[in-house]
Amino acid sequence: QQPVQSPQAVILREGEDAVINCSSSKALYSVHWYRQKHGEAPVFLMILLKGGEQKGHDKISASFNEKKQQSSLYLTASQLSYSGTYFCGTAPDGSQGNLIFGKGTKLSVKP
Amino acid sequence: DSGVTQTPKHLITATGQRVTLRCSPRSGDLSVYWYQQSLDQGLQFLIQYYNGEERAKGNILERFSAQQFPDLHSELNLSSLELGDSALYFCASSEGGQGAADTQYFGPGTRLTVL
Repeated sequence: QQPVQSPQAVILREGEDAVINCSSSKALYSVHWYRQKHGEAPVFLMILLKGGEQKGHDKISASFNEKKQQSSLYLTASQLSYSGTYFCGTAPDGSQGNLIFGKGTKLSVKP
Repeated sequence: DSGVTQTPKHLITATGQRVTLRCSPRSGDLSVYWYQQSLDQGLQFLIQYYNGEERAKGNILERFSAQQFPDLHSELNLSSLELGDSALYFCASSEGGQGAADTQYFGPGTRLTVL
């Protein structure tokens, strides 16, 4: 039931792009994306609801494919501040609202 | 700063003891969620309260309990502590009661160390 994130880790140079994937074995109602720096609180990035909507702000965007039960987070022209661990939290369709988080993708952006 | 506050920031205690973690949600938020984050288990949902009532329950142990008070702050009580309870405990809050559709804002966390 826990969503699977890939890759587990990625190293980028400043200005490069990255894609982080989140797949579930169950039909989803929503996908929530967070970034967490070591020892700090997860910071909300965006939420995607059932409907295949694509969202974005600044150079970070995400898509949600209901049929494939997966979401992707797109980071373009990465900055040093993008470094951290990215988590997707999924809410299965029909659930009470509990988010189930993936194990995270560690992103390191080097100068 | 998300607007969610948690105290204490760090807590060191011994096995068998009982501790209370406190959380104040963002102004206007009615839901409070508790999460446990450990290295091996990741971020795990424990329990949600909405406007004073329990709304959803996750993988919360019987030794753990929570409540939300009329002023909407929440407390998580952990008793008969074991070494494996050492973790970061986060509180999050949201405006509504639908965790699946609402944005959850996380507090800075309480790091619990059980010796």
